[in-house]
Formats: sequence, C-alpha cells, structure tokens
Amino acid sequence: NAGVTQTPKFQVLKTGQSMTLQCAQDMNHEYMSWYRQDPGMGLRLIHYSVGAGITDQGEVPNGYNVSRSTTEDFPLRLLSAAPSQTSVYFCASSYLLTQETQYFGPGTRLLVL
Amino acid sequence: AQKVTQAQTEISVVEKEDVTLDCVYETRDTTYYLFWYKQPPSGELVFLIRRNSFDEQNEISGRYSWNFQKSTSSFNFTITASQVVDSAVYFCALSEAISGAGSYQLTFGKGTKLSVIP
Repeated sequence: NAGVTQTPKFQVLKTGQSMTLQCAQDMNHEYMSWYRQDPGMGLRLIHYSVGAGITDQGEVPNGYNVSRSTTEDFPLRLLSAAPSQTSVYFCASSYLLTQETQYFGPGTRLLVL
Repeated sequence: AQKVTQAQTEISVVEKEDVTLDCVYETRDTTYYLFWYKQPPSGELVFLIRRNSFDEQNEISGRYSWNFQKSTSSFNFTITASQVVDSAVYFCALSEAISGAGSYQLTFGKGTKLSVIP
C-alpha cells in the first residue's frame, strides 16, 4: 500500500491564482481530512469527508473548497490564493468507525506571494 | 479556550536524560480518544499512540511511556533515556464525536519541540 499520497510537494502561487492540492489513499478509508500547519499553531482542520459525496467544514474552511467523488480521492481547491494561505497542508485518512487513527500524507508546502 | 494544551513550547535535554511532555485536554464527552504524533525535522507526521477514554492503564512501548489521568484531564508522554533521534515536534490530539453528524473531529495541541543534545 502507498498509504496517503499528496501532490505536489511544493508549490509557489501568486495572489489570486487558483490551484488544487491532490490527496489519494489506497486503504479504503471512509474518513478523509485536510489540515493546515502554521508555525506555533499546531494543525487545524480545514475540511473533512466521511465518504464519497459527503463533505463538511472544519475549523478554518474559508478560502478552500473540497469534493469527494470517490473513496480514494479528496482534492483541496484554493479558489483565489492569498498570502495568508501560505502554509503546509496535510491530508489524512482513517476508518470512520470508533474514531480510528488518522494517517497523514507527506504534506504540501505552499507559498503564496 | 484551547481544547488541547501543550504548555511546553520547547524543551532541550541532554542525551540519555528522561523527559516528559505534558498534555492537558478539555472535553464534555464521556467517549473520546487521545493521540500522540511525532513530527521529525523531515516533516512527516508519525502516529505514536491512540488511547480511548475508558482505558486509563499506563502504556509502555520501549523507551516511550504514556500516563493517562482522567481526574486531571492529562495524557503525558515520557521518553526514557532520550536519544538524538527523538528530536522532533510532538503533538497531542483529542478526537471527539461531532453530535448528530456520525463523524468526529481531531483537535491538535500546538506542539512541543524537543531537542536532544548529544
């Protein structure tokens, strides 16, 4: 199993540009989520999904969209990038039942100029 | 108010010393889960332990041990005989069910950066 994969590893954007961060898992996990990590802030939940076709907002959803058309994929879209979205983004997945352990992808480092 | 508090922002120890990382959490749920993750300098997040709210037994795994005390809402992590490879940021996290949603949410503390000096 590849586990949780994320692409790209690093991206530079200009303010106002849009992009999609890709996340995929091959463990048949129902639950997938996106976090952002900023210095001194820990990880904060952006959006999550409990299965294909079902998504919901986390703590910091503004400026981000998600969709879940398949069990395996959970892309994160930045509609109009802002410097405040400079961060490291982590995708995670787990089985849904009994709040199982979330396993994280390697992260995407995003710089918005 | 923070749901997960890791009061120690940074800790430095000399190799072979023991070190305890503190974690205090806040929840109204009776069923919840606590986690510790390690983030080495390479940046990935490595799962260390998951503990449910009904299991207060201390756990030991090699040089790592965890002390869960519901009475003080704490889930502390001790590394015995620290090694340079233990240098990392350690995160404590709380998982709670989201009412009516059939789902749950994981809330992280801000992390403790541990530096083990040779």
